[in-house]
Amino acid sequence: AQSVTQLGSHVSVSEGALVLLRCNYSSSVPPYLFWYVQYPNQGLQLLLKYTTGATLVKGINGFEAEFKKSETSFHLTKPSAHMSDAAEYFCAVNSGAAGNKLTFGGGTRVLVKP
Amino acid sequence: NAGVTQTPKFQVLKTGQSMTLQCAQDMNHNSMYWYRQDPGMGLRLIYYSASEGTTDKGEVPNGYNVSRLNKREFSLRLESAAPSQTSVYFCASSEQGGYTFGSGTRLTVV
Repeated sequence: AQSVTQLGSHVSVSEGALVLLRCNYSSSVPPYLFWYVQYPNQGLQLLLKYTTGATLVKGINGFEAEFKKSETSFHLTKPSAHMSDAAEYFCAVNSGAAGNKLTFGGGTRVLVKP
Repeated sequence: NAGVTQTPKFQVLKTGQSMTLQCAQDMNHNSMYWYRQDPGMGLRLIYYSASEGTTDKGEVPNGYNVSRLNKREFSLRLESAAPSQTSVYFCASSEQGGYTFGSGTRLTVV
């Protein structure tokens, strides 16, 4: 079975400050890992994904995430927050089981203070 | 534009009523999924279809049925709606590790 834990349901950052969203997963096999962003009243947009290869993955809007197998983590970071980063962020894992199902974490809502 | 199309976008039902949420994709993906989104719980899988002609239960299937009508279409049916089914529903399709989500259906059961 696969599962995802996102630490902190709400995160508040100042504009220009580091954004760090934590994600830990459990999977019996090497996983595919994803970060999605959801703006208010919209669908999910892919920020970045890890499948194989380089463990530091760069995504859209200046976000990046690092796959750390030893820590079973896939934390999302952005060096300098922008007001437009206010949204909800979801970490997800696919361990390649039948149907290639995505399992999501509970989400982290980011508030950016001016 | 290629993608996943969900209808309707909004729906209000009375307890006990039935309805079908429609989903269609035009990317020739084999796998399709229905998720529901509730505050603090992320997205939870209701049903999925790994390929045309197959469907399987996900994490929260009770109260729902699905039909994989053909490779493009995957519908979700609520036979007797309950207030606990008030949620935002997302359809998705996937192929080789890439997933595309629809824009969602906001369902309220009163």
